[in-house]
Order: sequence, then structure tokens, then C-alpha cells
Amino acid sequence: QVQLQESGPGLVKPSQTLSLTCTVSGGSINTGSHYWTWVRQPPGKGLEWIGYIYYSGTTFYTPSLKSRLTMSLDTSKNQFYLKLTSVTAADTAVYYCARDLGVCVGGGACSTNDAFDIWGPGTMVTVSS
Amino acid sequence: QSALTQPPSASGSPGQSVTISCTGTSSDVGGHNYVSWYQQHPGKAPKLMIYEVTKRPSGVPDRFSGSKSGNTASLTVSGLQTEDEADYYCSSYGGSNNVVFGGGTKLTVL
Repeated sequence: QVQLQESGPGLVKPSQTLSLTCTVSGGSINTGSHYWTWVRQPPGKGLEWIGYIYYSGTTFYTPSLKSRLTMSLDTSKNQFYLKLTSVTAADTAVYYCARDLGVCVGGGACSTNDAFDIWGPGTMVTVSS
Repeated sequence: QSALTQPPSASGSPGQSVTISCTGTSSDVGGHNYVSWYQQHPGKAPKLMIYEVTKRPSGVPDRFSGSKSGNTASLTVSGLQTEDEADYYCSSYGGSNNVVFGGGTKLTVL
């Protein structure tokens, strides 16, 4: 079955760039059937949606992070990535990658249904000097 | 401040039913049928319990059900079991290719 695994540094200095990788196994990110997403959760707080990426490279970002955020993917490695620049302590969180269940209509056109059915275990990122 | 409003806590005894609300606006919950619910146990990743307001993924017990009326969505857990004790989050399409979450509800099984 499809599994996701986040990886990246656990500690990032303020003003630097946070870079994370999500490795997908048991299935291909290149099928076009699903969007791929990042969600974060500050310690003791709720979930925050970060953004989507599609196999074509199309991205959608949450407005509050859009100016600092870049998502990308490498279909040959079956990985997708998150980069968040100019981080502060407010970016300290557990970062999850997840798959959007998606909905596909006739002709193969697929879109998100904002239902994240498979999640990675999460990776804790602390922003501190 | 979360975009969707959930009660911070809810509780019930084993075997009882409990309903958790999720209130938004006509721009999110009220305007779309892409409402989902997630269960999260401490230290674990969230688990999808309900999507598209009422649908259950394979493997989710039918004790979990979802509904929506106007700008408020609801998750009902029937026949409460001790393993249902967890945090529950709602989410919704928020318009403009955005997704919004609720602040979460801690469900206690007494």
C-alpha cells in the first residue's frame, strides 16, 4: 500500500530556509490521480494546511505562507518537496506530508476533494539559534 | 485563530453518542461539500474519518457519521468506545484553492 515518509533537518536557524522531502512508496506520484500536500502542526496546537502540488507541477499555497513557500517534485525519485524561507520560531511545528484522495471525472481530469487519506508519520522541525 | 470553529472539548460515556460541531461561513463549509473530519491520537498522524461531508473511507467504523446544515458541519460518534478518545479536526475547502481547518476538539470517553 502507499506510504509516505518525511525527512529533513530537525533544527533550522531563524532567517534560514526550511527544506523537507516527502518520499512516496508503494505507488507513483506521476499518475495524475492525486494531489500531494503538506500540513503542519505547532506543538500543542491545531493543524494548518500549507499547500498542494500536482504531478504536473501545478501548486496551490495557503495565502499566509505564499510569499515564503515553494513546493516542487521529482517524479523520477517519487518525491515531493517543501521549502520555506526566512523562518521564525512561529514555523516550529510537526510537518506532515499527505495524499489527497481526489476526485476524477470522465476523461481522466482529476481535482482535489481536500480529503487527506494517507499521511506520513510527521517530522518535527524546530526553529532556534 | 482557526478559520473553522469547533468546541474545545466534548465527552461521553461508553456506549453513548456524541456530536462535534464545526462552524464556518458560506465561503467554506456552507458553500462546498468538501468537508472532512480527522481523528488524531497523541503523537500520531491524523487519520481521515469522514470526507465529502458524509462519506467514510474503507475501514472506518460506521459508528462515525457526518452531516451538514447551513454553515455548520457535524461529526457524530455513536456507541462510544474507549479508543475513540482523541482529538478531532474538521476541514473544508475554503475557496480560492485554499483548505481551512478547525481548531480541534478533544473527545474524552468518561
